[in-house]
Amino acid sequence: SQKIEQNSEALNIQEGKTATLTCNYTNYSPAYLQWYRQDPGRGPVFLLLIRENEKEKRKERLKVTFDTTLKQSLFHITASQPADSATYLCALKDSNYQLIWGAGTKLIIKP
Amino acid sequence: NAGVTQTPKFQVLKTGQSMTLQCAQDMNHEYMSWYRQDPGMGLRLIHYSVGAGITDQGEVPNGYNVSRSTTEDFPLRLLSAAPSQTSVYFCASRSRRNTEAFFGQGTRLTVV
Repeated sequence: SQKIEQNSEALNIQEGKTATLTCNYTNYSPAYLQWYRQDPGRGPVFLLLIRENEKEKRKERLKVTFDTTLKQSLFHITASQPADSATYLCALKDSNYQLIWGAGTKLIIKP
Repeated sequence: NAGVTQTPKFQVLKTGQSMTLQCAQDMNHEYMSWYRQDPGMGLRLIHYSVGAGITDQGEVPNGYNVSRSTTEDFPLRLLSAAPSQTSVYFCASRSRRNTEAFFGQGTRLTVV
C-alpha cells in the first residue's frame, strides 16, 4: 500500500537559519505532491504544490524539491522566523484522486 | 467568504450515542471529504464526495455515514459512538480543476 513518511520528531531550528523537512513515500508514483501548514487547533492550510516533472518550486521564503527517483520531497524555509513554528504536512494524490497524508513534522523556531 | 465551516468545534459523547458533524462550504467546490486526525498518524480519509448525490468510502469508513444532497453541505453521521472514534475530525473541499484543499477548523470529539 502507499505510504508516506515524515520525521515524527520535532525539528528545532535557530531563528534566521534554514529549516529543511523531509517527506518520503513508497509504492507509488504520484503526479504531484503538496505541502500544508497546520497550527494547533486549526485545519491544514495549503502552501505549495510540485508536479512530477518539476524539480523545484519556490514561493517567497519557501522552496520545495521533488526527486521521483529517490521518492522524496524536501521542504525548505529560509531565514526562518518564530512565526514559522507549526506542523508541516505533505500529501500525495492517489489513484482515486484523493489525498494521502503524512503524519507531519513539528517545526519549532527558537529566537 | 467563509470557506469551509464545521460545527461543533468540541463534542463529548457517551458510548452508543449518535450525532452528526456538520460541514458546509460556500466556494461551489465539487469535491468534499471527511478526515480524522489522530496523534502520530496522518489524516485518514473517512468518506468523500465528488458531487451532489455521489459519495464513496475512504480508508476508514466503518461506523460513519455521509450524504451529499447539496453541493454546499456534507454532514458526517456517527451511528453508535465508540471510544475508538475519539479523534479530531476535519472536513475539506476543493474544486475539480484545482488541487488545493481547503479545510474547516476541525471538530474535537471525545467518546467516553
